[in-house]
Amino acid sequence: TQLLEQSPQFLSIQEGENLTVYCNSSSVFSSLQWYRQEPGEGPVLLVTVVTGGEVKKLKRLTFQFGDARKDSSLHITAAQPGDTGLYLCAGDWSGNTPLVFGKGTRLSVIA
Amino acid sequence: DTGVSQDPRHKITKRGQNVTFRCDPISEHNRLYWYRQTLGQGPEFLTYFQNEAQLEKSRLLSDRFSAERPKGSFSTLEIQRTEQGDSAMYLCASSPWGTSGRSGEQFFGPGTRLTVL
Repeated sequence: TQLLEQSPQFLSIQEGENLTVYCNSSSVFSSLQWYRQEPGEGPVLLVTVVTGGEVKKLKRLTFQFGDARKDSSLHITAAQPGDTGLYLCAGDWSGNTPLVFGKGTRLSVIA
Repeated sequence: DTGVSQDPRHKITKRGQNVTFRCDPISEHNRLYWYRQTLGQGPEFLTYFQNEAQLEKSRLLSDRFSAERPKGSFSTLEIQRTEQGDSAMYLCASSPWGTSGRSGEQFFGPGTRLTVL
C-alpha cells in the first residue's frame, strides 16, 4: 500500500503568521495535487505539480515539489482567518491510477 | 455553475435500509470517481469509471456497495442493508482523462453526508 503522510496533523496559528505543511511518501509521484476542504464540503483543487523541483505560487500560497518527486510542501505567508480549513495532498503514482490522499493538515487561523 | 453536483446533500436512514446517491460530473469529463471520507481522514477511493466502463471496483468496501454509470454521464452509488459503520461523507469527482495534459486533476462535488441510525 502506498502511503502519503502529512504533517502536522493540526496547526493553530495567529493571523499574520507564516506556516508550512508537508506531504511525504516513500514512492515517486507522477503528479501531486493539493486540495483545501471546508467542513461539509468537497475538496477544492488548489494546484497540481508534476516536475521535480517545481515551485508554484497562488497568491500567498507557495507549493514546492521535491527534486525526487517524493515530497511536497505548502507554505502560506501572512495567514488569514479565511485560510482555515483542511489541506489535503493527493498523489498519482503512475499517471493511470486513482489518487491516494493523505489524512490532511487541519489549519485554524485565529484573528 | 457547471461543476460536479451530488444529490442528496444529506441522507439519514435506519440500519438495514438501502440508499442510493447520484453524481453528475462536469459534462466534458470522461472519468468519474467515488470516494468515502470519514471524520479525521482524507478521502478513500472506492471505484471509478471511464465513460460507462467501471475500471476498478475491488476497493468497494463490501458487496453491499455497487456503482453504475449506464450512459457514461451521471453515476449512482448504492449501499444495500446499511450499517452504522457506513456513516460517512461520500464524495464524487470527475476528471478530463487523456485531454489537456492534466489528467491527474480531479474536481470534487460537495458530497453526500450519510448518517445511519
